[in-house]
Amino acid sequence: GAVVSQHPSWVICKSGTSVKIECRSLDFQATTMFWYRQFPKQSLMLMATSNEGSKATYEQGVEKDKFLINHASLTLSTLTVTSAHPEDSSFYICSATSGTAYEQYFGPGTRLTVT
Amino acid sequence: AQSVTQLGSHVSVSEGALVLLRCNYSSSVPPYLFWYVQYPNQGLQLLLKYTSAATLVKGINGFEAEFKKSETSFHLTKPSAHMSDAAEYFCAVTHTGGFKTIFGAGTRLFVKA
Repeated sequence: GAVVSQHPSWVICKSGTSVKIECRSLDFQATTMFWYRQFPKQSLMLMATSNEGSKATYEQGVEKDKFLINHASLTLSTLTVTSAHPEDSSFYICSATSGTAYEQYFGPGTRLTVT
Repeated sequence: AQSVTQLGSHVSVSEGALVLLRCNYSSSVPPYLFWYVQYPNQGLQLLLKYTSAATLVKGINGFEAEFKKSETSFHLTKPSAHMSDAAEYFCAVTHTGGFKTIFGAGTRLFVKA
């Protein structure tokens, strides 16, 4: 149980285009989902926290207009990187938690490369 | 404020040797503590967690960790390293009053044959 999927697992896009990444909780309802960014050989950096049906809470320094997060249902959150640039290339990981459980269940990650 | 410090960005052990990965935390309230493992180009997999029950926590793949409040530590150990243990390991702390999790910088474990 507690499986989280991400789609796509990798994507290459041209500079200036937008890319959407999906995060789904497959066998539980995720009241809260998190989006992380990970640079090579570095730790996870929390980008934003989203609760179903409400606006995401972004961490300091994360551009909310560039990284659009939508948590439309209890099983789906999306991250859209708008007007992508090469510096947005990174590994994006989502996680989800339910109810009062403090354990996060992580997706397999999405490798974004912007050319 | 919470923080997590992992001592040693790289640890190298021989196959069959003891694995010890160090983690110290800072938290003003009782924390929940986690160890995760990450293989290249993959997400994080939970190894074990401390949630204020037993201080010695056993996890998957033979790993265990001991919560020591007096030392504010949560070190990860495994009696005998296996080649498949080579990966990146992250210690993390979650505030019991919320869901935000703080991750350590990570420790890369190398296992020599």
